[in-house]
This record gives sequence, structure tokens and C-alpha cells, in this order.
Amino acid sequence: NAGVTQTPKFQVLKTGQSMTLQCAQDMNHNSMYWYRQDPGMGLRLIYYSASEGTTDKGEVPNGYNVSRLNKREFSLRLESAAPSQTSVYFCASTPSAGELFFGEGSRLTVL
Amino acid sequence: QKEVEQNSGPLSVPEGAIASLNCTYSDRGSQSFFWYRQYSGKSPELIMFIYSNGDKEDGRFTAQLNKASQYVSLLIRDSQPSDSATYLCAAREGGSYIPTFGRGTSLIVHP
Repeated sequence: NAGVTQTPKFQVLKTGQSMTLQCAQDMNHNSMYWYRQDPGMGLRLIYYSASEGTTDKGEVPNGYNVSRLNKREFSLRLESAAPSQTSVYFCASTPSAGELFFGEGSRLTVL
Repeated sequence: QKEVEQNSGPLSVPEGAIASLNCTYSDRGSQSFFWYRQYSGKSPELIMFIYSNGDKEDGRFTAQLNKASQYVSLLIRDSQPSDSATYLCAAREGGSYIPTFGRGTSLIVHP
């Protein structure tokens, strides 16, 4: 049972480069989320998708875009990476706005 | 602004003792409360959730909710070194897809 799978797990970018973080869940969950976690800042919501076909901004959406490709997949794109986007990114899903199931995280460094 | 407050710690307890982790929340509309455990370098995983006032027990863990005072606590009995981790408290308003996370409390259980 894979649960929530994120790729890549590690990535180093140069300032201005673009990349997409991929997330897929196999639990038939309706809602999916992207968080970033920085030391001392806790989990901050970037974007979420309450259901297939919808996406909404969270607390810190600037510099990011998302796509809910289908019920299983929710991707996060950085169009022009900045050092301030160095962080650990977590994808999560939930069947009904209850308990969140998290992926293993993607560690991004922007030089 | 919805807030969930936790003491960042670290909270240090001896092996076998009771660890008490506390959390307060600002949104009186919050109806669901969650405790997640996060080991260093890993993703958060749910320990317990609680919806009703009072206590909820699961093995060595007890969650306590007091909606009048707007606090949630997690008690860990017979603490073990393997319980050493950061504990995240989250609150969700009824009908909302977005949980609000606290910044977490670091727990250290020393032999």
C-alpha cells in the first residue's frame, strides 16, 4: 500500500530554474494539499484541492502553481525558483477533511 | 487569523514518566482536533484525533479536549525514548477543508 507518493525526494536548483513536484495518492481521497515546512515555522499551506477539478490558495501561494491532474495526482510547480523557496515540501491527502495522510517529503534547495 | 499555539520546547522527561503536551486554539468554530507525531527528517503521522469534550484514550496516549477553555492536550504515559519527536497539534473548523497547525512541541525522553 503506497499511500501518498512524492517525487523527487531531493532536488537542487539554481535561482530562476523551474521544476514540478509530483504527488500521487492511491487511497481514493478527495482532497489533496501541498505544504512547506521550514525550521521554526511549522507547516504552511501553499495550495489545496478540495476535490477533483478545484484548487485554492493557501497561506503562502506566491511563486507556486498547482494542477489537480485527476483524482489521484496533484502537482506543484515552481516557475522561477528563488532561494526563499528552499524548504521541505509535503503533499497530503484526506478522504473527507479529516485526518491528513502525508507523503515522505521533497527536500528542495535553491542556490 | 486562526491560530494554534504550542510551546516549542523541548520538553524533556525521563523514561517511564508521563509527558504532557498542550495546545491552545483561537477559533471557537474549531470542531476537530488532531495530534501528529513527526520524527526528525520524516513526515507527520497521525497519533490521535478528538471531536468531543473530555478524554479519549488509545493505548499509552490520551487526548483531552476542553472547548470552553479552547485547549487540547496529549498525555503520553510510560514515555519511551522512541517517543522522542516533535508533536504537532492541528485544529479544523467545521465545514472547512483546511486544518490549522501549530508549530509543534519537541519532546525528548531520556533513559
